[in-house]
Amino acid sequence: EAQVTQNPRYLITVTGKKLTVTCSQNMNHEYMSWYRQDPGLGLRQIYYSMNVEVTDKGDVPEGYKVSRKEKRNFPLILESPSPNQTSLYFCASSLYRVRPYEQYFGPGTRLTVT
Amino acid sequence: GESVGLHLPTLSVQEGDNSIINCAYSNSASDYFIWYKQESGKGPQFIIDIRSNMDKRQGQRVTVLLNKTVKHLSLQIAATQPGDSAVYFCAENGENTDKLIFGTGTRLQVFP
Repeated sequence: EAQVTQNPRYLITVTGKKLTVTCSQNMNHEYMSWYRQDPGLGLRQIYYSMNVEVTDKGDVPEGYKVSRKEKRNFPLILESPSPNQTSLYFCASSLYRVRPYEQYFGPGTRLTVT
Repeated sequence: GESVGLHLPTLSVQEGDNSIINCAYSNSASDYFIWYKQESGKGPQFIIDIRSNMDKRQGQRVTVLLNKTVKHLSLQIAATQPGDSAVYFCAENGENTDKLIFGTGTRLQVFP
């Protein structure tokens, strides 16, 4: 089944404790992206990647890192999480050259930072 | 399911009626406009897109209308069903064609 998977689905952590949220897609998509979703603010893009070893900042990149060492994986790293990073996070991918804006989203990761 | 918005504008329609969800976009340079549907507890799902050189595009039970003069986008759903209940987001690609900019969403509630 074609899908985007994220792990973990739920995470409660404390301020300053480094964490990684994994994202993987099995559709051979070159484009991958991370979004955060907050009430009243919709979806905001954190980082995106056009292909392996190519990453770019979205609208809210502060406090986050990403890497794209393999085409299928795009982990989101929070080196020192803070309470304002409590949010619902979504990973997405698309076959950019053909259908750039038809993004496939993962199921989401609910992160709480205390 | 996950809460996606506490104070979203809400459209309530009766099953079988047509629904119209509206969106005002901000960037005149955008050349792609997209509608996504997000059901409770799930990630957004692509519905339909339209390029700026078009005024209308139809899919299965859905139609997207684009009015560039007033920077307005709408999604029409024919014969609305309970399964259409969700939050609907419009998105545009803005000046940077590698990115999507999402609106804040509209909740559609379908009652019998």
